[in-house]
Formats: sequence, structure tokens, C-alpha cells
Amino acid sequence: DVVMTQSPLSLPVALGQPASISCRSSQSLAFSDGNTHLTWFLQRPGQSPRRLIHKVSNRDSGVPDRFSGSGSDTDFTLEISRVEPEDVGTYYCMQSTHWPLTFGGGTKVEIK
Amino acid sequence: QITLKESGPTLVKPTQTLTLTCTFSGFSVSTMGMGVGWIRQPPGQALEWLAVIYWDDDKRYSPSLKSRLTITKDTSKNQVVLTMTNLDPVDTATYYCAHIAYSNFGDYWGQGILVTVSS
Repeated sequence: DVVMTQSPLSLPVALGQPASISCRSSQSLAFSDGNTHLTWFLQRPGQSPRRLIHKVSNRDSGVPDRFSGSGSDTDFTLEISRVEPEDVGTYYCMQSTHWPLTFGGGTKVEIK
Repeated sequence: QITLKESGPTLVKPTQTLTLTCTFSGFSVSTMGMGVGWIRQPPGQALEWLAVIYWDDDKRYSPSLKSRLTITKDTSKNQVVLTMTNLDPVDTATYYCAHIAYSNFGDYWGQGILVTVSS
């Protein structure tokens, strides 16, 4: 299985400050279709996960542009340019290039 | 608008079989490229993919749970059913179903159902 390693585990951030989450995969996530299937989700407390970004850097509809994704091969990053109160929760990366699909362990973002 | 909702028992005894139903609207699982997946999350822990079924009845299972899982679809009812046998307390988790469109996973999720395995 592809192991997805996120860091940090916990990220206290002051409102209005930037935040960055790293996700590393144990194998390349580049797929034969030319895409890299790396997805980011946010799970707010008590809610279902919500997809933020797919294929490394494509924001989903309704996702604020303060969220951005980047990276390639085995090294990926989710950045929040200015953290807002509604950004609190746990962020997960997920790969869907290889079966089985696998998630990272999560990064908990809280307001400092 | 796509919606999904999980249903089933919330308390199951060890060794019993769990049957969960995902009822959805806004798409058809018989349409090319469409699929539904199941994911679970033990309390306070990370997410784990369990199984996926596609429009052409292609099925994929988590290797670690494959012997215990069965996923099926009923296109006439807009439902996908997940069966898990031989439940254990470690299977206590919130179980989610999610929409799949081609290679896009998880753009829509259900609200989840907390299943507790206890005698």
C-alpha cells in the first residue's frame, strides 16, 4: 500500500496568518493518464470530510482561493494564505493513483 | 444536486454481520464513470477506504478487509450496499459513503453513520 505521511500532526495558527501542510507519499503519484491523483479534504469537528482540492492543485467549487495545492511525484503541500475561523479542523491528503486508496494521518489546524 | 445518506444498524454484536445502505440522488450509478465508495473513521482516528463499486460493476476492496467485505449496487433504487462480516469491537467507526465520478473521488459525502460493535 502507498503510505501517505502528513506533517505536522498539529498546527496552531493565528488568525490571518498563513499555514502550510505537507503530505509525502511512499511512491510516485503520477498516473498513466498524465494526472497526479492527490486530493485534500477538510473535516471540521463533527462533520463529514469536504473535498477542497483534487489532482494536486484544482480547487473544488466554492472553495476560497486562500487555499492552494502544489507539488508533484511524492511531495505535496496545502497552503492557506490567511487562516480564517472556519478553517479549523483536520486536513487529510489522499492518493487515488494506486489501489488501495490511502489517506494521510491528518493535520489538525487550530487557532492560536 | 448530489446527496448521499447512510443507513443501517448503529449497534452490532461481535461476530455479527453489518449491512449498510447508501441511498443517493442526483446521479445514477449506471451512468458511465460513476461510482460509490465506502470509507470509515474510528473515533478520533484517520479515514480508511473500504470499498468502491463502479457503473460497470467493477469492484475494489481494501486488501486488509477484502475477505470480510461485499459491495453491491441496486441501480433501480439508487442504492449501494456494503456488507461486512464477523464484526469486532475494532470495527467501531463512523461509516461514510461518497460519490465518485471517473477519477474524481469524494466530491460529495454522506453524513456518516456511527456503528458501535459491542456485546
